[in-house]
Amino acid sequence: AQTVTQSQPEMSVQEAETVTLSCTYDTSESDYYLFWYKQPPSRQMILVIRQEAYKQQNATENRFSVNFQKAAKSFSLKISDSQLGDAAMYFCAYRSARNTDKLIFGTGTRLQVFP
Amino acid sequence: DGGITQSPKYLFRKEGQNVTLSCEQNLNHDAMYWYRQDPGQGLRLIYYSQIVNDFQKGDIAEGYSVSREKKESFPLTVTSAQKNPTAFYLCASSTSLTGSNQPQHFGDGTRLSIL
Repeated sequence: AQTVTQSQPEMSVQEAETVTLSCTYDTSESDYYLFWYKQPPSRQMILVIRQEAYKQQNATENRFSVNFQKAAKSFSLKISDSQLGDAAMYFCAYRSARNTDKLIFGTGTRLQVFP
Repeated sequence: DGGITQSPKYLFRKEGQNVTLSCEQNLNHDAMYWYRQDPGQGLRLIYYSQIVNDFQKGDIAEGYSVSREKKESFPLTVTSAQKNPTAFYLCASSTSLTGSNQPQHFGDGTRLSIL
């Protein structure tokens, strides 16, 4: 069974600085998708970025980028130029391309942004 | 605007009572999901549905039931058999289950508490 591990329960960053959130996963599959979701205090889950496993190029979305290391089964999220509005819980999630009935989530990392 | 509407935002259950959480989407999505979120844990899948009149159990289906009579609606009933129902419940939808990298879109959630 696939698992997703986020080893950092909490992280903090100064406004305008860069922070990296870690995520590792375990799977025997070669084709899958990875996602980072943000959950602000409002509790709504918001997609931040996605990565297809067959793509070697790391995904980027404005200030958000990933470091996808397929062999190491690592999928970290880098937030550049951090803003106060980035403060939230961040969840890493895995989705099989073959059996795509569910997202498997990590336990989350709470990010605090200090002015 | 298209989206997912969950109601109510807060719900209280008495002992031995069944309660139903509503989830409606106007995104024309085929697939819908129910997740449970507990403190310190990621989201866990309760039930999901690919098409109308069909649904499948997720990882923690015991004590819950669902129906999918309309494409737009996927209500979740928390039965009296669910002994620890206090949690935050999130509904999600996506375009399809198979071979797609499309993310799941989430509602704002319902917080269920025991009286």
